[in-house]
Amino acid sequence: GQQVMQIPQYQHVQEGEDFTTYCNSSTTLSNIQWYKQRPGGHPVFLIQLVKSGEVKKQKRLTFQFGEAKKNSSLHITATQTTDVGTYFCAGEPGAGSYQLTFGKGTKLSVIP
Amino acid sequence: DADVTQTPRNRITKTGKRIMLECSQTKGHDRMYWYRQDPGLGLRLIYYSFDVKDINKGEISDGYSVSRQAQAKFSLSLESAIPNQTALYFCATRPTSDANTGELFFGEGSRLTVL
Repeated sequence: GQQVMQIPQYQHVQEGEDFTTYCNSSTTLSNIQWYKQRPGGHPVFLIQLVKSGEVKKQKRLTFQFGEAKKNSSLHITATQTTDVGTYFCAGEPGAGSYQLTFGKGTKLSVIP
Repeated sequence: DADVTQTPRNRITKTGKRIMLECSQTKGHDRMYWYRQDPGLGLRLIYYSFDVKDINKGEISDGYSVSRQAQAKFSLSLESAIPNQTALYFCATRPTSDANTGELFFGEGSRLTVL
């Protein structure tokens, strides 16, 4: 079955440093989504990428979808303590599959 | 009020007991999902439903069953709970739309402990 690998599992950064998490799928994806889960909370949708090579920005967050539509990344510039949480990617294999397979997540800690 | 409501939020039970986790939504979405979250393992799909008459197994359905009582309600049952089913369970909904669109809306989660 489809596998979605996400690295690193944990990342500790000093406030102000940048952070990147990477996601790789064993199969070509129709789209990839990113979610953030704050400590003690539930996953909340951040963004969806659909097109090959797509890049989207949300303030300090930059999301990329690879040309082959098998990998993606989330980059946070100048982290803040409010960025703390676990970031998940979720890939959808094919049009009509309607199933999202989640990566194991990257837990981000920000040291003030 | 939350759009996706899970009950109970916390439950402690004993091995062998039957447990039902309930999910209701006011978003009007056809698709509903049950995920399980364990530390370091991310979110794994247990069951999903595209409408009342459509129930599908996810990657870890063994030991679980579901019921879609109405468009707005999707319950997860553990017929005979075992300790390795101790986890955080999330219900989620998703709007029916064209392929390549549609985010998941998660409930607040139900933390289950099986002793």
